[in-house]
Amino acid sequence: GAVVSQHPSRVICKSGTSVKIECRSLDFQATTMFWYRQFPKKSLMLMATSNEGSKATYEQGVEKDKFLINHASLTLSTLTVTSAHPEDSSFYICSAGDRGLSGYTFGSGTRLTVV
Amino acid sequence: EDKVVQSPLSLVVHEGDTVTLNCSYEVTNFRSLLWYKQEKKAPTFLFMLTSSGIEKKSGRLSSILDKKELFSILNITATQTGDSAIYLCAVEPISGAGSYQLTFGKGTKLSVIP
Repeated sequence: GAVVSQHPSRVICKSGTSVKIECRSLDFQATTMFWYRQFPKKSLMLMATSNEGSKATYEQGVEKDKFLINHASLTLSTLTVTSAHPEDSSFYICSAGDRGLSGYTFGSGTRLTVV
Repeated sequence: EDKVVQSPLSLVVHEGDTVTLNCSYEVTNFRSLLWYKQEKKAPTFLFMLTSSGIEKKSGRLSSILDKKELFSILNITATQTGDSAIYLCAVEPISGAGSYQLTFGKGTKLSVIP
């Protein structure tokens, strides 16, 4: 079945540095990728929607210059957290939308800790 | 490798019906099971289950976990058209040093027709 591989699973970085998170669709073409951030109490907030070959659509309140999303190919979308700060520490997860019956395919998430 | 299987993949019911959605899992060092409802944008968190046999309820929705048989069910009674959505199940393992990954199922697409 459809698989989305997300890397790294965990990253610790220093404040002020940038971190790149990758999501790859392994056996299907993901024309659309959704990026989420998980908050306490397990809620997921949609940060942005990326479409292959075009600019991402960011949700209100999400800084597009800080959270750079690139979807250069049908199998790869990346989220780069630039100039990371401790408040960016969170769990980030991607999913590829499937308009068919199988719904959404999620990556396994990335735990980012900024120190 | 952690695995979550949801069934059925798709379900069509009439308003007023009661539905049961299933989620079975295989995970090393289980920590919790999460249920979400996805309509448009982000999945909406419904329940987190950590202990076997304790039912969690929220209005017409309820869920229970069986850690021995490795599954959970989500029940929706007196369904309404607004319940139409994709319901996602995810498991969260205990991992070293407090980090964790979520493994999602493919979801059950529920359609409630008037």
